[in-house]
Amino acid sequence: DQQVKQNSPSLSVQEGRISILNCDYTNSMFDYFLWYKKYPAEGPTFLISISSIKDKNEDGRFTVFLNKSAKHLSLHIVPSQPGDSAVYFCAASDNAGGTSYGKLTFGQGTILTVHP
Amino acid sequence: SQTIHQWPATLVQPVGSPLSLECTVEGTSNPNLYWYRQAAGRGLQLLFYSVGIGQISSEVPQNLSASRPQDRQFILSSKKLLLSDSGFYLCAWSIDWGRYNEQFFGPGTRLTVL
Repeated sequence: DQQVKQNSPSLSVQEGRISILNCDYTNSMFDYFLWYKKYPAEGPTFLISISSIKDKNEDGRFTVFLNKSAKHLSLHIVPSQPGDSAVYFCAASDNAGGTSYGKLTFGQGTILTVHP
Repeated sequence: SQTIHQWPATLVQPVGSPLSLECTVEGTSNPNLYWYRQAAGRGLQLLFYSVGIGQISSEVPQNLSASRPQDRQFILSSKKLLLSDSGFYLCAWSIDWGRYNEQFFGPGTRLTVL
């Protein structure tokens, strides 16, 4: 059972335009969501996160939106740059029970390509 | 600042051979530690996690095992590798600051089983 899904395997965007990466989840107990960026042959790098008490979190060019009723989150990158080309993973955590031990459930990833 | 190391970076092993991958964390104490595998074209699958020395939880049944002999050392092992064990293995750490915790990943080990 895939509790976190990224239904778009890839996304291609022109430099300077907006990139929108989407993620859906099914577990209503998830209360913390994260985005990671991964280059080939490297470990993922933490990008931005949002807790379930918020619907938006912004950090520079990166904004994450959370729609709890739809169980959907998205990552907006504006403006997109060629260096943003990477695989983006969304992840979710259920911390409310106090026994999750920080475990994350990851989506399958979306390959973002930003063309100059 | 905290850093996480993994070695080796790449490994090619024959089927049936043993495996030992090591992960160490510096600059923090009593971290939660995790082993993930990314198979080709797939997402990140959590294999094991550990909340303390000698405490290991397995997330999926498999041919691998994990151990935590020291606070900041996490080892992934196998007695006999299978072809299906090929993949990119990632170690990660987190600290229980409170309710919301990020995980921080190491550089990974590319394992090819032939």
